[in-house]
Amino acid sequence: DAMVIQNPRYQVTQFGKPVTLSCSQTLNHNVMYWYQQKSSQAPKLLFHYYDKDFNNEADTPDNFQSRRPNTSFCFLDIRSPGLGDAAMYLCATSGIRGGNQPQHFGDGTRLSIL
Amino acid sequence: AQTVTQSQPEMSVQEAETVTLSCTYDTSENNYYLFWYKQPPSRQMILVIRQEAYKQQNATENRFSVNFQKAAKSFSLKISDSQLGDTAMYFCAFRAGAGSYQLTFGKGTKLSVIP
Repeated sequence: DAMVIQNPRYQVTQFGKPVTLSCSQTLNHNVMYWYQQKSSQAPKLLFHYYDKDFNNEADTPDNFQSRRPNTSFCFLDIRSPGLGDAAMYLCATSGIRGGNQPQHFGDGTRLSIL
Repeated sequence: AQTVTQSQPEMSVQEAETVTLSCTYDTSENNYYLFWYKQPPSRQMILVIRQEAYKQQNATENRFSVNFQKAAKSFSLKISDSQLGDTAMYFCAFRAGAGSYQLTFGKGTKLSVIP
């Protein structure tokens, strides 16, 4: 089945130690999104790629960066994780940007900071 | 900026009964799209149902239906014949039309289906 796959499901890192989360998709979708979801809160969009075009949300901290080496893969890099960055990180894709197209989500990566 | 409000943080329903989750939104747009997503515990978020604002007819998907009241800016989700597998967090989401990409989510309603 076509899907969005996030690895790992659980990631533990130390305060200030860089960490990378990965997302891959077999849907061949043009758009890939990264969300941060803290406990009991709504997902918050960090940034998205429309093909190779990177779009950063205005309030996304500089500590967060992303790479999309090809259509299938997208990475979230947190350069110096702080305690406030502990959250679930969701990757999503969509065929086109906007309209009534739904986003397809992965299972998420739960990041813990020691 | 658009806002989405889900006023019920938690709800419960007996198996086989019907439950309605509420959602209101605020926008000055005339063309937009509304979604309900379901996020089961430790599982991926999936689309339940969607509604285009220009359509007057309420969307239905099997046991799931919406009551879309455009003038009132209300978009409630009705789940009929509730099943244990419906236990999940439910998020209402809004997307403006005209090429907007951003989904604005509500804070979610945690639904528990009781055997």
